Formats: sequence, C-alpha cells, structure tokens
Amino acid sequence: GQNIDQPTEMTATEGAIVQINCTYQTSGFNGLFWYQQHAGEAPTFLSYNVLDGLEEKGRFSSFLSRSKGYSYLLLKELQMKDSASYLCAAMDSNYQLIWGAGTKLIIKP
Amino acid sequence: GAVVSQHPSWVICKSGTSVKIECRSLDFQATTMFWYRQFPKQSLMLMATSNEGSKATYEQGVEKDKFLINHASLTLSTLTVTSAHPEDSSFYICSARQPGRDYGYTFGSGTRLTVV
Repeated sequence: GQNIDQPTEMTATEGAIVQINCTYQTSGFNGLFWYQQHAGEAPTFLSYNVLDGLEEKGRFSSFLSRSKGYSYLLLKELQMKDSASYLCAAMDSNYQLIWGAGTKLIIKP
Repeated sequence: GAVVSQHPSWVICKSGTSVKIECRSLDFQATTMFWYRQFPKQSLMLMATSNEGSKATYEQGVEKDKFLINHASLTLSTLTVTSAHPEDSSFYICSARQPGRDYGYTFGSGTRLTVV
C-alpha cells in the first residue's frame, strides 16, 4: 500500500533550527512536496523535490533521498509565524498526491 | 502565479439541505481539479478528481450521489453536498494543477461547512 509517515507534533524555540522528517512508500514516484498549513487555512506550497539532494529556499530547505524513501524539511531562524502544520505529500506514478497527516510545529519564545 | 478562488469561505446549513461550493481558476485553465476534505487535526483526504467535460472520479468510500461534482468549464468546478448531515461538517478544499507543470498544484482557500 501507499503510506506517508511524519511526526505528529514537534516543538522548537524561536531563532533555532528544526528538521521535520518524512518517509514514504508509493506506487511509483514523481516527486515529494512540502506544504505549510496554518489553522483554518488551506495549504500553501513550500517545496518540491524529485531528484536526490538538498534544495534551499531562504530559511527553508528540503532534502530528498529516493533510495531511502525519505525527505526532510529544514527550517532555520525560526519565527513565531512558522507555527503551523507541515504536510508532506508524495506523488505516485499516476500523478496523484498521497498526503501525510501533517506535523504540527509549535514555536516557543 | 496561479490563483484558485474558492467560495464560500464558510457556510452553516441545516440538516437535509444542500450546499454548493465553487472553485475557480482565475488566471489559468484547469483541466483537472481535486476536491479534498479535512477533519480537524487530520490530513487532507482526496474525495474526487474532476475533469473538465467528463464525469468525476471518486475515491473509494465517497458517495458520488451525495457529493455531486460538476466541471463544466476549464475554469470552474463545483462540489454540491446534498442532504447534508452533521457528520458532513468539515473543511473542504479544492486544488488545481496548472497544465504543463509537474508541481503546479494550487489550493483554494477552503470552505468550512457546519451542518446543524
């Protein structure tokens, strides 16, 4: 079956760095997405990885290892506004998105 | 960038009534739109995939006669929740993939439905 695993909740301190991990099992693979979702709002796109390696975009970076079925989202210089849920989603061979349950990130001052 | 407009943002309706949710792609043509449902503290659950000019494809366990999807044009898809029940109360979100881009998924702002 197809499955996405990510931690349910994480806590970090303002100004620090946090890494949110995601493992996936899909029928075929066409890329890995990270989305940010604030409570009561729709998800917003953060990153897309289809090749192995690290993609850096400002304070956020995303890493992918296809052989390990593993990705992480790295958030640097955390700000209070980064408190949100972070959703990992893998695209299968039919270009369907398989969603993780999301990781709720709590930022403390 | 690609924008998907969804409305209403929130709606309260009585049990047994129907509610229509609209999703429009504003600056691109969306041949395919996706409808998701999200319960509190849970992930997005794909309900159906709507294709312009053809019948929607529903995920297992989603009643097609209850959740009517119409995708009559390249810029508009609608989801109608018929004979709504309190258990249908949820956050409904549409998404569209911009043609020609593998990662061009854009979400609408979501609709909070409360059935009383």
